Amino acid sequence: KQEVTQIPAALSVPEGENLVLNCSFTDSAIYNLQWFRQDPGKGLTSLLLIQSSQREQTSGRLNASLDKSSGRSTLYIAASQPGDSATYLCAVGPTQGGSEKLVFGKGTKLTVNP
Amino acid sequence: GAVVSQHPSWVICKSGTSVKIECRSLDFQATTMFWYRQFPKQSLMLMATSNEGSKATYEQGVEKDKFLINHASLTLSTLTVTSAHPEDSSFYICSAADGRRIETQYFGPGTRLLVL
Repeated sequence: KQEVTQIPAALSVPEGENLVLNCSFTDSAIYNLQWFRQDPGKGLTSLLLIQSSQREQTSGRLNASLDKSSGRSTLYIAASQPGDSATYLCAVGPTQGGSEKLVFGKGTKLTVNP
Repeated sequence: GAVVSQHPSWVICKSGTSVKIECRSLDFQATTMFWYRQFPKQSLMLMATSNEGSKATYEQGVEKDKFLINHASLTLSTLTVTSAHPEDSSFYICSAADGRRIETQYFGPGTRLLVL
C-alpha cells in the first residue's frame, strides 16, 4: 500500500528566504508525482507534475525534483513571498499497476512572514 | 486549461437529511471522476472512483449506500450523502480525468458540508 509522507508538517519563514519541502513515498512504482497548493477552505491548484521518467520540473520560482528509486521528491521555492503562504500537498500516482488513484501526503503548511 | 466546478460550494443541513453535490467538467469530457474527502489538517482521502455509465468503485471502508455516486454523463458526476450525520461534516473535493490523459486529474474547488 502506497504511503506518502511530507516533512515538515508546518514551516514558517521570513519573506525572501529559499526553502525546501520534502515528500517521500513507499512504493517507487509510480507514473508521476504532483505538487499541489491548497489555500484555506479551497480546492487544489496543480503546481508541478513530474513524470516517472523525469527528474525535475520548473515553473517560475518553483522547482520540483524526483528521485524515484529512493522514493523522494523535493519542492524548492525560491525567494519566498507572503503570497506563497498555503498548504502544499504532494501526491503520487497512478501506479504502474494500472491504478488511477492519487495518494496524497498530509501536506506542509507554509507561512511566509512579511 | 481544464476547469472543474462543484456545486454547492458550501452547505449546511440538519441531521438525517440528504445532500447532493455536483461535479462538472466544463471544457472537457471526463471519462473518470474521483471523489475525495478531507478532514481538517488531514490529507485528501479517496472515497470512490466513478466511470461514466458504470457503477462507482468505492475504497475500503467507504459505505456505498451512504455515499451514492452517479456519473450519468461525461461532464457530470454527483455525490449524494444520504441521511447525513454530524460525523459526515467534511470538505468534499472531486476531480476529473480527461480520457486521453488519464494520469492528470483536474480538481474542483471543493464543497464544505456541515451537518448540524
